[in-house]
Amino acid sequence: QSVLTQPPSVSGAPGQRVTISCTGSSSNIGAGHDVHWYQQLPGTAPRLLIYVNSRRPSGVPDRFSGSKSGTLASLAISGLQAEDEADYYCQSYDSRLSNVVFGGGTKVTVL
Amino acid sequence: EVQLVESGGDLVQPGRSLRLSCATSGFTFDDYAIHWVRQAPGKGLEWVSGITWSSETIGYADSVKGRFTISRDSAKNSLYLRMDSLRANDTAFYYCAKGSSPYGTGSHIDYWGQGTLVTVSS
Repeated sequence: QSVLTQPPSVSGAPGQRVTISCTGSSSNIGAGHDVHWYQQLPGTAPRLLIYVNSRRPSGVPDRFSGSKSGTLASLAISGLQAEDEADYYCQSYDSRLSNVVFGGGTKVTVL
Repeated sequence: EVQLVESGGDLVQPGRSLRLSCATSGFTFDDYAIHWVRQAPGKGLEWVSGITWSSETIGYADSVKGRFTISRDSAKNSLYLRMDSLRANDTAFYYCAKGSSPYGTGSHIDYWGQGTLVTVSS
């Protein structure tokens, strides 16, 4: 059971917009800790996709965007492409656990 | 170019010990926190342990506390994970991951190694 809750899967047709939610609590996202997102393509190591809630590292397409409000963070992928098929993880910090915490991951399928 | 290269993964019997290493290059090792994150086959990411730039603050997941020990060597730009009393559910790919700040709280991971596989089985 992950501290941060993500839907196991989302899917969409090419060109559509999908969103992935990351639900936390008052000791992590709700406490004001930043949320970061990672993309893991099949058979590869994770890579940073979004940091500090909504910032994109260089090289990440602007089709990817992040937001945060209260105890909820979201990752949106607009103009979905076949290459976006991957697992996506949110990450934050939990003050009660004094630990880095990850969401359980969401598999994005392009139909 | 930032690089993190893990080594030491192996097949080990339950109850035995193993030491993982992570050789780093391409950044000032002493300026950043470093983490170990693991991923059981077909499962999600699990933070295992992290160590700040000065080794002053160290954290462990409850699942490994008291069994795993993280350390870093500035002279070798390397990170280590000593794993004792290994269990079957410790089987996973173990990733070495560079933090984006000297401290662990709130910062993200900006670079990941390729991982090393630890299999715990009799």
